[in-house]
Amino acid sequence: NAGVTQTPKFQVLKTGQSMTLQCAQDMNHNSMYWYRQDPGMGLRLIYYSASEGTTDKGEVPNGYNVSRLNKREFSLRLESAAPSQTSVYFCASSGSSSTDTQYFGPGTRLTVL
Amino acid sequence: KNEVEQSPQNLTAQEGEFITINCSYSVGISALHWLQQHPGGGIVSLFMLSSGKKKHGRLIATINIQEKHSSLHITASHPRDSAVYICAVGFGADGLTFGKGTHLIIQP
Repeated sequence: NAGVTQTPKFQVLKTGQSMTLQCAQDMNHNSMYWYRQDPGMGLRLIYYSASEGTTDKGEVPNGYNVSRLNKREFSLRLESAAPSQTSVYFCASSGSSSTDTQYFGPGTRLTVL
Repeated sequence: KNEVEQSPQNLTAQEGEFITINCSYSVGISALHWLQQHPGGGIVSLFMLSSGKKKHGRLIATINIQEKHSSLHITASHPRDSAVYICAVGFGADGLTFGKGTHLIIQP
């Protein structure tokens, strides 16, 4: 089992460019999450998907869109990147709720110039 | 919105010492998680608690639901325990709310 995989590992964008971060899990989990981690701020929830076909906003959704493509895959899109979106992005998955262990991907380090 | 506070923010100790990291939160939860993040950046789940106490090797986690407080203890600490320890809380199917982490350094 690969667990949770994310691509790419690193990315540099110019302001205004768009990109999609990909996430996939092979644990047959229902719930998937996107978090961002910034120095001094801790991890913050961007969007989550409690089950295939549903998505909900988290604490910091502005500037992002998500797609739960199927049960395995949950992508995060930046339509017009801004320097404030420079961060490390983590995807995670869990069985079905916050009472289940969350498994994290290795992270994507994004820099927006 | 749940507020999660961790203390201390930074902790340096000598090998072999007993370590305690504290976490408090403001609103009722379904579960509390303790996570470990190594310098390479990867995040690993250590414990998920909804009540009582759990033990795994030299790590012990406790939670007091009434007081909205949890502690993570490390016995016989070792330099390989050096990492950032993160407390997070969740409710229902929502994602987690995280503390800012405790930077732990264990010196030989």
